[in-house]
Amino acid sequence: NAGVTQTPKFRVLKTGQSMTLLCAQDMNHEYMYWYRQDPGMGLRLIHYSVGEGTTAKGEVPDGYNVSRLKKQNFLLGLESAAPSQTSVYFCASTPSGLGRTGELFFGEGSRLTVL
Amino acid sequence: DAKTTQPPSMDCAEGRAANLPCNHSTISGNEYVYWYRQIHSQGPQYIIHGLKNNETNEMASLIITEDRKSSTLILPHATLRDTAVYYCIVRPFQGAQKLVFGQGTRLTINP
Repeated sequence: NAGVTQTPKFRVLKTGQSMTLLCAQDMNHEYMYWYRQDPGMGLRLIHYSVGEGTTAKGEVPDGYNVSRLKKQNFLLGLESAAPSQTSVYFCASTPSGLGRTGELFFGEGSRLTVL
Repeated sequence: DAKTTQPPSMDCAEGRAANLPCNHSTISGNEYVYWYRQIHSQGPQYIIHGLKNNETNEMASLIITEDRKSSTLILPHATLRDTAVYYCIVRPFQGAQKLVFGQGTRLTINP
């Protein structure tokens, strides 16, 4: 059981380049999230999704776009990367429905450096 | 979602109980208290959650005050591996929108 898988785990970009981070979960979870974590800081919510085909903005959405075309995948895109987007990105998911604990399941993180 | 307030850092001796406080004075009736921890640069890990009763599992105990405005996470016999950042968040059990993490408490277990 893979849980939440993020790809790639490491990436170096030049300013202005674009890229997409993929989050995949195999637990049939409804809700998925993208967070970023800067050195010495807590996690900040970028975007989230409460189901296939839905997305919503979090605390720090500017400069990012997301898509949830399939229930198991949540993509985070950077159209024109900036040095301020250098960070570690975490994806998380959680199920809806009865009997859940409300636990968030996190991926291992994707470390992005923008030069 | 209710905001939480935690001390930025704490120290505890190995083998002793670590008590981590969290203030959530604006918590509403349908919001649960959740605790997570993040070891080094790994993804956060769920520890425990509760509504108004005290809870215990194999990892920790959660004590919630009667007015629900604050809580304490207790690690009964802290080990070096418990050194981590601990996050307290509150969220409604129904729905899962905008789960917001604060700065957390950096707990250091000393030998």
